[in-house]
Amino acid sequence: QVQLVQSGAEVKRPGASVKVSCKTSGYSFTGYYIHWVRQAPGQGLEWLGWINPSNGDTNYAQNFQGWVTMTRDTSINTAYMEVTRLKSDDTAMYYCTTLIFWGQGTPVTVSS
Amino acid sequence: QAVLTQPSSLSASPGTSASLTCTVRSGINLDSYTIYWYQQKPGSPPQYLLRYKSDSEKHQGSGVPSRFSGSKDAPANAGILLISGLQSEDEADYYCMMWQKNAWVFGGGTKLTVL
Repeated sequence: QVQLVQSGAEVKRPGASVKVSCKTSGYSFTGYYIHWVRQAPGQGLEWLGWINPSNGDTNYAQNFQGWVTMTRDTSINTAYMEVTRLKSDDTAMYYCTTLIFWGQGTPVTVSS
Repeated sequence: QAVLTQPSSLSASPGTSASLTCTVRSGINLDSYTIYWYQQKPGSPPQYLLRYKSDSEKHQGSGVPSRFSGSKDAPANAGILLISGLQSEDEADYYCMMWQKNAWVFGGGTKLTVL
């Protein structure tokens, strides 16, 4: 069955960076874009961007251009998202998704 | 004005139907777009329910009961998620999503209470 398994919880200081991984299985990794979506506590869903695992092309939401980077490693069917210059309002659950299947989420807490 | 607007909450009784709306910003022709619907329960990631563009271009998520269905209300320029035969387990947050100007956009979500 299709699975997207994300890395564990992270606690970071303001100004630091965080890199979240999303290991996929059960389908052709290069056949479907991987999207990243975040959800602040008690808030709605926010799309950050996508990566095409086939060629590495990316498309970032305007609000995240310049400080979010999405990459992938096709040898291990894994996608990554790095957020730099973290601020307290980046505290959220971060999800990877094909838009059909979703990872379990990675909680990222930014606190001094 | 947000691209997608959803009522923040909706209540309905078990066994009845609930119609969740996702109103698209004026000036955007909904005919050309596919609306995605997700269900999210506390502590869990969103779950894909279905997507709907027209009666001939729609998709039901695997394992999603047929009592969840999508449609559009053209005069209101809104996507609709209809849940019939409401059950207590349908109590959740529901989000719509659409591709707009090179980005995926979510509605703010509707909290459905079944009581």
